[in-house]
Amino acid sequence: SYELTQPPSVSVSPGQTARITCSGDALPKQYGFWHQQKPGQAPVLVMYKDNERPSGIPERFSGSSSGTTATLTITDVQAEDEADYYCQSADSSGNYYAFGSGTRVTVL
Amino acid sequence: EVQLVQSGAEVRKPGQSLTISCKGVGYNFATYWVGWVRQMPGKGLEWMGIIYPRDSETRYSPSFQGQVTISVDKSISTAYLHWGSLKASDTAVYFCARHKTDSFSDAFHMWGRGTMVTVSS
Repeated sequence: SYELTQPPSVSVSPGQTARITCSGDALPKQYGFWHQQKPGQAPVLVMYKDNERPSGIPERFSGSSSGTTATLTITDVQAEDEADYYCQSADSSGNYYAFGSGTRVTVL
Repeated sequence: EVQLVQSGAEVRKPGQSLTISCKGVGYNFATYWVGWVRQMPGKGLEWMGIIYPRDSETRYSPSFQGQVTISVDKSISTAYLHWGSLKASDTAVYFCARHKTDSFSDAFHMWGRGTMVTVSS
């Protein structure tokens, strides 16, 4: 089964920048997507097709992808950004998807 | 309001069967991929599989192929997740979610609230 690797945790002070990486062999040819999940809630899509932001998602969220790594960047981090973040992408043949292992973002 | 409405929490014993449901409301159900995601207690999201209601094309993660069955009844705008024989390790919250467009190359942009499944003897 396809694997996407994320760091388990990222800590950042309010107003600083958080960068969350996602590594996968198929990322050079498949889009990366990102979901935010807060405790006890369903996930929310915060980035799609590498760098497109859904309506309602603050502009401080941005995405990029280069080679085998996709990155979600949160600038000017706010307390409400504290959550688990999961990347999602397809396997090399585009037949099925997988989620990354998840990154807990802690706002200090 | 456009939403996915999931069935309520279930408790079963190991070896029993179970089907949970996800009803699409407020949009053309047939033309958007609908998938299922597992979240075991305290763990991350796992992509299980997905179905295109218009023609019932279904794709599974290799991790879940043969373990569950995804189906749909487009006449009532409802997708299903079925287990033939539950195990204690199936205890989890199961989310259904819908793609943003009618393309498979897309993301889950709308999520249900989740169905808690507890399997215990």
